[in-house]
This record gives sequence, C-alpha cells and structure tokens, in this order.
Amino acid sequence: GQQLNQSPQSMFIQEGEDVSMNCTSSSIFNTWLWYKQDPGEGPVLLIALYKAGELTSNGRLTAQFGITRKDSFLNISASIPSDVGIYFCAGRYTGTASKLTFGTGTRLQVTL
Amino acid sequence: EAGVTQFPSHSVIEKGQTVTLRCDPISGHDNLYWYRRVMGKEIKFLLHFVKESKQDESGMPNNRFLAERTGGTYSTLKVQPAELEDSGVYFCASSQDPGLDTQYFGPGTRLTVL
Repeated sequence: GQQLNQSPQSMFIQEGEDVSMNCTSSSIFNTWLWYKQDPGEGPVLLIALYKAGELTSNGRLTAQFGITRKDSFLNISASIPSDVGIYFCAGRYTGTASKLTFGTGTRLQVTL
Repeated sequence: EAGVTQFPSHSVIEKGQTVTLRCDPISGHDNLYWYRRVMGKEIKFLLHFVKESKQDESGMPNNRFLAERTGGTYSTLKVQPAELEDSGVYFCASSQDPGLDTQYFGPGTRLTVL
C-alpha cells in the first residue's frame, strides 16, 4: 500500500524560530493536506494543496505540493507557543476515492 | 454548528471483551470515515460510509471489527472480541463531498485493551 515518510519525527525549537517539515511518498498523490492535532483533539486541517507545484500560505504557515507529486513540505515562520502539537501530512489519490493516507506525524515543542 | 462528536472519549477494557464506539458526524454530511492511530504510528484509514452504505472498507483489520451506520446518521464501530493490538485512538471524520472537500475530524476515542 501507499506509505508516507514524514520527518522529522519531533522538533524542539525556541519561540520565534522557523520550522520546516516534509513528507515523501513512494506513490503519486493528487491532493496533499497538512493537519495539526492538539492534545485531546482530533486533527484539524491547516492547508490543502491540489496541484503539483502549488505553493499556499495560511498566515505563518506555508506549504508546497512537490512537482513530482510525491512530496510536500510545511513551513511555520516565527513560531509561537500555541504552535505546539503534532503535525500530520496526508495524501489522497483519486484512485482510492476519498481515503486519506497519513504520515507518522511531527511532534513540535516550542520553548520560550 | 456542532462538530463531529465521538463517544466515549476513553475506554479501558480487558482482552476478550466487547466495545462499541460511536460517532455523530456533522449534520448533513453524507460521508463518514473511521481512522485509527496506534501509538507513535500513522493515522490509518479503516472505512468510509456514504450515507448508510459502505463505500470502502479496505482498511478494516479483520472480522472482529464491525461498523454500521443505520439510517445514514451516526455510526458505530464494534470490536468483538478485543485484542491487545486493538489499543489506540479511533478517529471519526465526516465531509459533504468525498472529492475536494475537507474531512472534519472528531476528538477521537482512546481505547486501551488490557
């Protein structure tokens, strides 16, 4: 089956630093999504990418859909304490209808 | 508008027992999904309902898992009998359109099998 390799597994950064995480796949996806999960909550969609090469921003977050359709990255600029959580990438392939394939997650810790 | 709700939030059972998880999707969402995250691993797809019909159940681990969505509203996921490896967080999600639309996730049910 399709697998997503997400890295890094965890990050410890200081407030104000920039963060970068990425996902790579052995298969092509038509859609890339980035979710954030806060403790005790379900994943919440941050950014959705629908076209190869697409670069999309949402406030301090920027994500790109790789031109090979097999990778994506998420950048967070000027991190703040509320950025703490687990970030998941997810891919969707047309042939699998709406099923999402998730990465293993990146746990982000922000220190003051 | 209420989001996706799940019940219970936590469940601790012994191996061999039965547990039923419930999901109430966002009102009007025909598409309902179940996912599971085993500790430290990725969130894995279990199955997808369109209204009351199972559209895709390719992720269901084995026949100890039974999902239903009678009437096309809320859904239940029953595990019988539960095994140790069933422990994890079970997420439900719903969406209006299975294509481009966002899947909205519930808070999850944390299942611990002892």
